[in-house]
Amino acid sequence: KNQVEQSPQSLIILEGKNCTLQCNYTVSPFSSLRWYKQDTGRGPVSLTIMTFSENTKSNGRYTATLDADTKQSSLHITASQLSDSASYICVVSLGAGGGNKLTFGTGTQLKVEL
Amino acid sequence: EAGVTQFPSHSVIEKGQTVTLRCDPISGHDNLYWYRRVMGKEIKFLLHFVKESKQDESGMPNNRFLAERTGGTYSTLKVQPAELEDSGVYFCASSGGLAGYTGELFFGEGSRLTVL
Repeated sequence: KNQVEQSPQSLIILEGKNCTLQCNYTVSPFSSLRWYKQDTGRGPVSLTIMTFSENTKSNGRYTATLDADTKQSSLHITASQLSDSASYICVVSLGAGGGNKLTFGTGTQLKVEL
Repeated sequence: EAGVTQFPSHSVIEKGQTVTLRCDPISGHDNLYWYRRVMGKEIKFLLHFVKESKQDESGMPNNRFLAERTGGTYSTLKVQPAELEDSGVYFCASSGGLAGYTGELFFGEGSRLTVL
């Protein structure tokens, strides 16, 4: 069982609509949680990075939230655009003593349609 | 400023052959990481260089994989001999600080390896 679980696996929304992607993790000790966007055939690009002491971080139309107590995070996309179509990957890093290994989720495939 | 570059973008080889993947990190980044994504699975850690030294190679699948980073600049990942299960996308990433904390991690476009 992966230590970072994402839902839904895939999602289709209409342009202009909002959506929320979920991430549950069991990685411990926890250091930081990141959301990446990966376009088809490209490398992942960082959207947000949150430490355990942060509970929200925004980057334009992207807003990530973190609840370190329940080990849950969400990525909210506002006013979606066609260019938002991509895979969104939740990544958790180990904390003290864990070095800097990153544990990746399998991603949520988002498709934005007209 | 140039990003992380990887070569080749796609390689198709036969089982038993050798392939060498190359990664050029962002200039000045001491930390270089190799990751791999096998089809249908999540991206997984392979190893981490700090300059020319291997900091952590716990993710390397077996001794058919050899990573080097001569002079602390570019890195190569050699697979010899390649097996079918080695097929996937190999990502390289670099950071100026430790990625496990708040350090920004920059990924290359990946090298897709297909073993027939």
